[in-house]
Amino acid sequence: DTAVSQTPKYLVTQMGNDKSIKCEQNLGHDTMYWYKQDSKKFLKIMFSYNNKELIINETVPNRFSPKSPDKAHLNLHINSLELGDSAVYFCASSQDRGENQPQHFGDGTRLSIL
Amino acid sequence: AQSVTQLGSHVSVSEGALVLLRCNYSSSVPPYLFWYVQYPNQGLQLLLKYTTGATLVKGINGFEAEFKKSETSFHLTKPSAHMSDAAEYFCAVSDDDRGSTLGRLYFGRGTQLTVWP
Repeated sequence: DTAVSQTPKYLVTQMGNDKSIKCEQNLGHDTMYWYKQDSKKFLKIMFSYNNKELIINETVPNRFSPKSPDKAHLNLHINSLELGDSAVYFCASSQDRGENQPQHFGDGTRLSIL
Repeated sequence: AQSVTQLGSHVSVSEGALVLLRCNYSSSVPPYLFWYVQYPNQGLQLLLKYTTGATLVKGINGFEAEFKKSETSFHLTKPSAHMSDAAEYFCAVSDDDRGSTLGRLYFGRGTQLTVWP
């Protein structure tokens, strides 16, 4: 059983389009995250939700909007896609928001902007 | 804010040789430290973590890491490399504001490990 699953795995689209990435975890965790990994493999957190409440909102353009319909799901919607948005986006979850909690990652969504 | 430095973006070893991947961190408080591994086209998997207690931490796949406060280091080692160890390895440190409990992780830039037969 996949613990953290993201869809789609690959996303190729044109500049200016709007797209969404979905994430679901079946671990019963309270906290979920979105990370962006750039072409140099650098990972940076974008957002975090705890029990559907936004708790981390890093300096991210407001074209990016996360939504958590329930604590098992955290989706990422991106408006007006730009070339610089090309990256791998990872969803992750942890038992709770504690600093010592390991995070479980999905396999990533590879977004390419043409 | 926390920061993590991984010395060496690429490390190559022969199969059976010692693996040493270096990680140094900066923190104003005792940190929580993690090592993650990323195989091609996959997400990150936790190898091991240090929270409190014993400074030598054992993880999966024969890896271990030692927390050295005096050196602000958390280097990852494995006595004998295997071909299947070839992957990208990330060191991470948790949020330094203990009151915040946000679970924010700061990652190093990763070290690509190549294992030669």
